[in-house]
Amino acid sequence: GNSVTQMEGPVTLSEEAFLTINCTYTATGYPSLFWYVQYPGEGLQLLLKATKADDKGSNKGFEATYRKETTSFHLEKGSVQVSDSAVYFCALHFGNEKLTFGTGTRLTIIP
Amino acid sequence: NAGVTQTPKFQVLKTGQSMTLQCAQDMNHEYMSWYRQDPGMGLRLIHYSVGAGITDQGEVPNGYNVSRSTTEDFPLRLLSAAPSQTSVYFCASRGGGELFFGEGSRLTVL
Repeated sequence: GNSVTQMEGPVTLSEEAFLTINCTYTATGYPSLFWYVQYPGEGLQLLLKATKADDKGSNKGFEATYRKETTSFHLEKGSVQVSDSAVYFCALHFGNEKLTFGTGTRLTIIP
Repeated sequence: NAGVTQTPKFQVLKTGQSMTLQCAQDMNHEYMSWYRQDPGMGLRLIHYSVGAGITDQGEVPNGYNVSRSTTEDFPLRLLSAAPSQTSVYFCASRGGGELFFGEGSRLTVL
């Protein structure tokens, strides 16, 4: 079946550090890939997405590139801020309407 | 535009009690779903619906019922609550390839 494996947290970084959160997937075919973010006390919201190989999704300074050859969709940001502290979820989706989520990575940014 | 609205935000139940978590969306989305979020387990799909009158089971449906009488509403029912159902529950609707989540309902079963 389909699955998503995320880098285990928690991850703690200093402000302005470079961020990478790894995400790899297992799927038959070519799914759409997503990163969702959950700020404290809130529901999840879409951060970025990519629908085909080599696509790059980007939003709020975050980027992720759909790599078919490595089945990966790693999340990166060049300079994190305290306001980026949240839980990040990688997810994949096929046309069957069900999203498969990773277990989430908690990120804490220290001033 | 309210998006996805869940009520209640917090609830404490005793084992064996029943309750309904309400979910409403005003985006005219056909697809709606319920997830539970537990530490270290990510989000797990409980039930989903692809349109009014149609529901189906997700990964962890046992102990939960749903119905979809209108496009807007998708309530989740716990018929006899158990401590294992202590969790945070999220309702989500889907449109334009994106899931829109409610703010969550934190349920504690004693």
